[in-house]
Amino acid sequence: EAGVAQSPRYKIIEKRQSVAFWCNPISGHATLYWYQQILGQGPKLLIQFQNNGVVDDSQLPKDRFSAERLKGVDSTLKIQPAKLEDSAVYLCASSFDGRGYEQYFGPGTRLTVT
Amino acid sequence: KQEVTQIPAALSVPEGENLVLNCSFTDSAIYNLQWFRQDPGKGLTSLLLIQSSQREQTSGRLNASLDKSSGRSTLYIAASQPGDSATYLCAVRYSGSARQLTFGSGTQLTVLP
Repeated sequence: EAGVAQSPRYKIIEKRQSVAFWCNPISGHATLYWYQQILGQGPKLLIQFQNNGVVDDSQLPKDRFSAERLKGVDSTLKIQPAKLEDSAVYLCASSFDGRGYEQYFGPGTRLTVT
Repeated sequence: KQEVTQIPAALSVPEGENLVLNCSFTDSAIYNLQWFRQDPGKGLTSLLLIQSSQREQTSGRLNASLDKSSGRSTLYIAASQPGDSATYLCAVRYSGSARQLTFGSGTQLTVLP
């Protein structure tokens, strides 16, 4: 069974530029999560999708971050414009559903904003 | 506020030693608790998941325990190996409709050959 795929793996941009990350969850998983992990900290949930609807985006900085999950499969996370403090690893995870099933994580995208 | 704390932040042990990693959480109303391993530059790998009704789970050399009343979980690693070197993260899924994972900051483990 293929795992959660993410791309790109690494990205370096200058502040005020925009960037987009892509995630393909495990086939059949209805729930998709985006996390932000700052160096030395645990992952923090940014947004949770159930199929193509948003369950929780309370910690997403909506003035600069946006995410979508068209057709309830792949998802993209966008930052526009980026700030220095956005430097982090962005992790995508999926689970069968959002009621407590085990989450499976992708390898992450390491973003550096200079 | 529902928080998860892991102490120590870093731990170094000689190969072959048995060790315990600690995780504490502020609210005993949890749905389950999960231990993850994270290697440098990699995503998270799930090690063990303990449901709220369980006291422990075992997988190979790993044993995780859960004590809801005291708000604590431990991950026991037997006969540690250099390949066990990684960051170990504890995550709690609190009860409620959201049931999202709340992560600790992790313990960075180094096993010296």
